[in-house]
Amino acid sequence: AQSVTQPDIHITVSEGASLELRCNYSYGATPYLFWYVQSPGQGLQLLLKYFSGDTLVQGIKGFEAEFKRSQSSFNLRKPSVHWSDAAEYFCAVGPGVTGGYQKVTFGTGTKLQVIP
Amino acid sequence: GAVVSQHPSRVICKSGTSVKIECRSLDFQATTMFWYRQFPKQSLMLMATSNEGSKATYEQGVEKDKFLINHASLTLSTLTVTSAHPEDSSFYICSARQGSGGGEQFFGPGTRLTVL
Repeated sequence: AQSVTQPDIHITVSEGASLELRCNYSYGATPYLFWYVQSPGQGLQLLLKYFSGDTLVQGIKGFEAEFKRSQSSFNLRKPSVHWSDAAEYFCAVGPGVTGGYQKVTFGTGTKLQVIP
Repeated sequence: GAVVSQHPSRVICKSGTSVKIECRSLDFQATTMFWYRQFPKQSLMLMATSNEGSKATYEQGVEKDKFLINHASLTLSTLTVTSAHPEDSSFYICSARQGSGGGEQFFGPGTRLTVL
């Protein structure tokens, strides 16, 4: 069964500092990987996704993530955090091309706090 | 991008009543729609997957008689919480996917249900 681990429940960074949110997944083949952001009381917005090809994926709002198969990781990065980035971030894994029942599994989320 | 709406965004009801939540894909036809439940400060839990014109597939532990899902058209799915109780209070989020496979899901903004 597929699973996702986000080891950091809560992260605090200073505005302008760099950010890296960790995500590790478990899946038997090459998965589809996603990062979503959720503002309080809101639905989820897709930041970026990895399906295949280049392992460094660029997303919206200046975010990027790198798929590392050897480490089963898909960490999210941003070089300079803005106060508006404060939100909850969810990593998710879905079955790849060979997947049967196409269900996406979400991690437990990382809450990002940005301080001035 | 594809837009998914939910209605209502917030609902308060008395214990024992039923509540219907609508999920619509506004600019695409959704082959599959998903219903999630999110408890405070927790991740999304998939409740059920529905394909247009067929019965929904419920996740283990989700009562199908309590959470009725209908996906009568390619743009509309409804979730009815029957005989709601305070423990059903939660944030319900739907998502829609255009094709099959592990493709991107587009999320609605969520519905906050409070049962008194």
